[in-house]
Amino acid sequence: GIQVEQSPPDLILQEGANSTLRCNFSDSVNNLQWFHQNPWGQLINLFYIPSGTKQNGRLSATTVATERYSLLYISSSQTTDSGVYFCAVKKRDTGFQKLVFGTGTRLLVSP
Amino acid sequence: NAGVTQTPKFQVLKTGQSMTLQCAQDMNHEYMSWYRQDPGMGLRLIHYSVGAGITDQGEVPNGYNVSRSTTEDFPLRLLSAAPSQTSVYFCASSWQGGNTIYFGEGSWLTVV
Repeated sequence: GIQVEQSPPDLILQEGANSTLRCNFSDSVNNLQWFHQNPWGQLINLFYIPSGTKQNGRLSATTVATERYSLLYISSSQTTDSGVYFCAVKKRDTGFQKLVFGTGTRLLVSP
Repeated sequence: NAGVTQTPKFQVLKTGQSMTLQCAQDMNHEYMSWYRQDPGMGLRLIHYSVGAGITDQGEVPNGYNVSRSTTEDFPLRLLSAAPSQTSVYFCASSWQGGNTIYFGEGSWLTVV
C-alpha cells in the first residue's frame, strides 16, 4: 500500500516563530488533506490540497504531486497551534475516500 | 448543525465483553467510515460504507462488525473485546463526490 511519511516527528517552537512540516508519499494520489488534532483530540480539516498552493490565514500548504510531497507552513505560531498535524492521502485508483494517514508531527508552541 | 456525533465518548470494557460505538451524521453524506488511532500512530481505517446497505473492510477490520441500515447511522460493533482494541475510535463522513472528510470527536475505549 501507499506509504506516508511525515517530518519532523516532534517540533518545539517559541510563540511567533515560523515552521515547515513535510509529508512524503510513495504513490500517485488524487486526494491529500492536512488535519490538525488539538490537545483535546478533535480532528480539524485544514486543507484539501492534492496539488498546488493554498493559504488560510497564517497557514499555507503546497503540494508538488509530481515529486510526491506536500508542505504545511505555519507562520507567526501561537500556542493554540499546538497539537498533532496529520497528512492523509488517497491513492489515485481507489474510489472510496480510503485515506492513509501519516504518523503525524507533534507541535508544541510555548509562550 | 451537529455534524458527526459519536457516543459514548469514554468506555471501559472487560475482555470478552461486546459493545457498540454509535455514529450519526446529519449532513446526508453517502460515505461513512470508522478509524482507530493508537499512540504515536496515524489513523487506520477499520470499515467503511459508500451508502445504506453497503459496507466493506478497511485496513484493520478484524474483531469489528458494521452495518449501514440508514444514511445517517453507522454503528461499529466489537464482538468480543480484547486489550489490543484499546484505542481512540473516530467516525467520519463525506460526500460521495466531495474532497473533505468530517470527523466526530472520538470515542476513547479501554479494554481491561
